Amino acid sequence: DAGITQSPRHKVTETGTPVTLRCHQTENHRYMYWYRQDPGHGLRLIHYSYGVKDTDKGEVSDGYSVSRSKTEDFLLTLESATSSQTSVYFCAISEGRGTGHTEAFFGQGTRLTVV
Amino acid sequence: AQRVTQPEKLLSVFKGAPVELKCNYSYSGSPELFWYVQYSRQRLQLLLRHISRESIKGFTADLNKGETSFHLKKPFAQEEDSAMYYCALTTSGTYKYIFGTGTRLKVLA
Repeated sequence: DAGITQSPRHKVTETGTPVTLRCHQTENHRYMYWYRQDPGHGLRLIHYSYGVKDTDKGEVSDGYSVSRSKTEDFLLTLESATSSQTSVYFCAISEGRGTGHTEAFFGQGTRLTVV
Repeated sequence: AQRVTQPEKLLSVFKGAPVELKCNYSYSGSPELFWYVQYSRQRLQLLLRHISRESIKGFTADLNKGETSFHLKKPFAQEEDSAMYYCALTTSGTYKYIFGTGTRLKVLA
């Protein structure tokens, strides 16, 4: 398995509180991604990063922010958690090197419940 | 905009029967397509990518640009194939991976 670690693995939080999820990689891959997985919706891209301090929005970015101050760490912050953000969050990495695209490698996921 | 469509939410087959999981995409250029598998409560892992044209665990998938499809096939399903399968697309110029909504495959004994 690619060296990707997500923390925490499980979290229960209250509505209105900020929450930060961490993704740490040991592969030195350039690209990092945050997805949420919901029944009936599959995986939807929240934000992604194409380098240190370089990030961009995905299709469901409202209510989320990200930061990448080091190659190995990509943080996802829910600024004020809502029940609609209850989900399983996956971090992914990819090399994106050369003319072809490589596959994305996924972390184990973080199950977040907002009550 | 790029889109991946997996029309079946659930596909149930008997052990030994052929399996076909459908995937259609919309993109005007040349995409790169993948199939990912997620076993119960595990991380997603790559099953196939169209560029390599290899067979993994008996699964194959062929990119049909005319029909914009990348269906996943296996001639004889096994119980351990029961999992969630996602089709994904990435395109030149971006490194975003766009996923379909997934198909849950259940292989019945």
